[in-house]
Amino acid sequence: SAVISQKPSRDICQRGTSLTIQCQVDSQVTMMFWYRQQPGQSLTLIATANQGSEATYESGFVIDKFPISRPNLTFSTLTVSNMSPEDSSIYLCSTFLSGMRTDTQYFGPGTRLTVL
Amino acid sequence: GNSVTQMEGPVTLSEEAFLTINCTYTATGYPSLFWYVQYPGEGLQLLLKATKADDKGSNKGFEATYRKETTSFHLEKGSVQVSDSAVYFCALAGGTSYGKLTFGQGTILTVHP
Repeated sequence: SAVISQKPSRDICQRGTSLTIQCQVDSQVTMMFWYRQQPGQSLTLIATANQGSEATYESGFVIDKFPISRPNLTFSTLTVSNMSPEDSSIYLCSTFLSGMRTDTQYFGPGTRLTVL
Repeated sequence: GNSVTQMEGPVTLSEEAFLTINCTYTATGYPSLFWYVQYPGEGLQLLLKATKADDKGSNKGFEATYRKETTSFHLEKGSVQVSDSAVYFCALAGGTSYGKLTFGQGTILTVHP
């Protein structure tokens, strides 16, 4: 399976600031996904990031709030902009096994964000 | 659109008890079904999966069978251990939303010695 790492693992931020989360995969992959897990809740897909094209956002999520970069086939970033306490969540990236277009997604360890 | 419904928790069991966590889904087409597990303080791990009707996924003593006729994918384990305490998520992918995982609300399982 792909090894996925995220940085930072956790952070505490002030209201109104922005945080960029990095996701690194140990092999080249076509699709990468960003999810949000609010406290005590399930996971919700924020957007799909494909290399060489604009990210595709799910309903309720916009690029101005969650800009995403995908500069190459092993790396992506998610920025949480102009943060408020409601953005306190775990943010996870995921991808398909070994870059193949299978249905099985593997997840990074997550970034636990607290906004004060 | 796709949706997943899990039994409400939390679930509390004694060690060696039998576990069932119900999961039903709504999807068009032929989705793949998954159970993910999140141990305390850790990330999300794939527990098992099934990609077509009547497939049985199994791992670490857990099993789930893809039942198209009842649109269900219930998770079972014959004898739980304290180390199984975690949050369990049922999820589906495919149908009309390729690549997107739709998760159930999660079920907290606590196993006491």
